[in-house]
Amino acid sequence: EDQVTQSPEALRLQEGESSSLNCSYTVSGLRGLFWYRQDPGKGPEFLFTLYSAGEEKEKERLKATLTKKESFLHITAPKPEDSATYLCAVRPANFGNEKLTFGTGTRLTIIP
Amino acid sequence: SAVISQKPSRDICQRGTSLTIQCQVDSQVTMMFWYRQQPGQSLTLIATANQGSEATYESGFVIDKFPISRPNLTFSTLTVSNMSPEDSSIYLCSVDRGGEQYFGPGTRLTVT
Repeated sequence: EDQVTQSPEALRLQEGESSSLNCSYTVSGLRGLFWYRQDPGKGPEFLFTLYSAGEEKEKERLKATLTKKESFLHITAPKPEDSATYLCAVRPANFGNEKLTFGTGTRLTIIP
Repeated sequence: SAVISQKPSRDICQRGTSLTIQCQVDSQVTMMFWYRQQPGQSLTLIATANQGSEATYESGFVIDKFPISRPNLTFSTLTVSNMSPEDSSIYLCSVDRGGEQYFGPGTRLTVT
């Protein structure tokens, strides 16, 4: 069974203090690892998809990396508006199965 | 990307009643997905809806409880039937576009 574990559950950072969020996964072949941002009361907002180990993607202050067992979301010099829950999800390799298995998320708070 | 709208955005319902949630996408898609996000938990896939065929339900979810319609390539509905307080959740519609999954804003359901 596919599993996704995110750590830490919650993280408080000072504005400008860089850090990383972790997503460990177990999947029967990987056809995509997804990162989302979710604000309270809203649906998840798509950030990145990573497909193979060694791949990296960047968007503003966020950078996602992927290995064979985990992914990291690096946040550089965060601002208060980066406060949100960050979700990680995996899609298995068997085509026709588009299901995403989600982790429970990391709740990030950036203190001004 | 994809622009997805859901109606209603929130509702409070009595035990034993049913609620139909609508999902509209800005352009045609083959697959639409319905997820549930219970309080404090991550997203769980309820079912996958393809136009012109029966929805495919995940383990633990049945058609009698969560009937789904998919009348065309831009619209779907999810009905939560014979509701109980345990059905209180956020229900999210999602679509796959180019291998990336995008989510609607969600419907927050409270059952009393």
